[in-house]
This record gives sequence, C-alpha cells and structure tokens, in this order.
Amino acid sequence: DAKTTQPNSMESNEEEPVHLPCNHSTISGTDYIHWYRQLPSQGPEYVIHGLTSNVNNRMASLAIAEDRKSSTLILHRATLRDAAVYYCIVRGSQGNLIFGKGTKLSVKP
Amino acid sequence: DGGITQSPKYLFRKEGQNVTLSCEQNLNHDAMYWYRQDPGQGLRLIYYSQIVNDFQKGDIAEGYSVSREKKESFPLTVTSAQKNPTAFYLCASSFRRTGDYNEQFFGPGTRLTVL
Repeated sequence: DAKTTQPNSMESNEEEPVHLPCNHSTISGTDYIHWYRQLPSQGPEYVIHGLTSNVNNRMASLAIAEDRKSSTLILHRATLRDAAVYYCIVRGSQGNLIFGKGTKLSVKP
Repeated sequence: DGGITQSPKYLFRKEGQNVTLSCEQNLNHDAMYWYRQDPGQGLRLIYYSQIVNDFQKGDIAEGYSVSREKKESFPLTVTSAQKNPTAFYLCASSFRRTGDYNEQFFGPGTRLTVL
C-alpha cells in the first residue's frame, strides 16, 4: 500500500472552510484514496473516497490532483463537531486499511 | 438499528490473565477486523476475517487470538503472552463486494487497562 504524508495538526475557525492535505507520491493506478475521521474516544468513521475525479458527499469534498500524487479533503464549513483526527489512506479496492497518525484538526469557536 | 457493538467499554485485568473482548455486528457484513490503538498513534491491525471459520493475522497478532464461528461475531482474546496489552481496541466490519467500495464501519471500542 502507498504511504501517505499528512500534517500532524491543523487549526480552523468555526464556520470557515478547512483544507486538509495529503501527499501520496507512490500511489498506483488502481489505488483508491480514502478518508476516515476519529472523534475523541470513538471509533473512526468513513468520510469519503475517490479514485481519479473529485468527489462530493454530504460530509465533505475530495479534490484529487491530476497526477494523483496528492489530495485534499475539504470541509466547507467547519463546526465544533468536526474536531477530530483525519486519516488519509491509500489502498486498492480490496485489502486492509493502513492508518497512520493522521491530522488532528482543532476548531475554534 | 444496524451497527457494531463492543463490550465492555472499559475493562481492567490483572497481569497474567487472559481476557476476551466482544464484537457483534448486525450489518450482514462478511469481513470483520480487530485494531489496536495506543495513545497518539494510528490504528494497527491485529486480526481480520473475510468469511466465517477463516481468519488471518494482521501486523501485530502476537499475544492475541480470535475465532469466527458466526458471521455476526468476532471475539478477540488478549492472552498473557501479550507483553503490553493496555490499549484502545477497535472492531470493524465491512462487505466484501468485488469491484465495489467496501467502507469499514467501526464499533465504539473497548479500553483495556492491565493493572
């Protein structure tokens, strides 16, 4: 599985957009980009995934670079409930997820 | 409501004792997983099972054992051979649909403390 690089932490103000970056320069052509998040003292939850095209769902948007070596998770309006650790994972359609340390997002009121 | 349950939420054990963590799902998922999380770290895979009566070791299986006798259940036993068992344990499950995306659903976790 491709290795990912994320900042250790980021801060945001409430109701402002947040852009969480992820580098995955060794991604292969069949690897998907997955994002999960983990709220304090809870299990992770799925946020979004994509292969080549940008993706939108009710939680977030995923912007994938044209060369696929990086991606950005976009929270359009951060709320206090979005404070969590965000994990970027690159993996094929099958196989296990490998969680790194992720990015700890803090949201200030 | 469908979901994954783990029990107990908190568990205390004396050193040298085996302990079994429960994980049940009613999502009709084929695959189930056990992860361990230490403070400030990501999740590490202990064991996983793709179908009933079959399971594979993950990255840190030493000192742990599992069984998968029923589709809904995937208990994890932390044995006395596990040298540093104090951690947050997470169970997850997913479908195994070929050619489709199979997101993992996680339980609320069990926090194990060895005294």
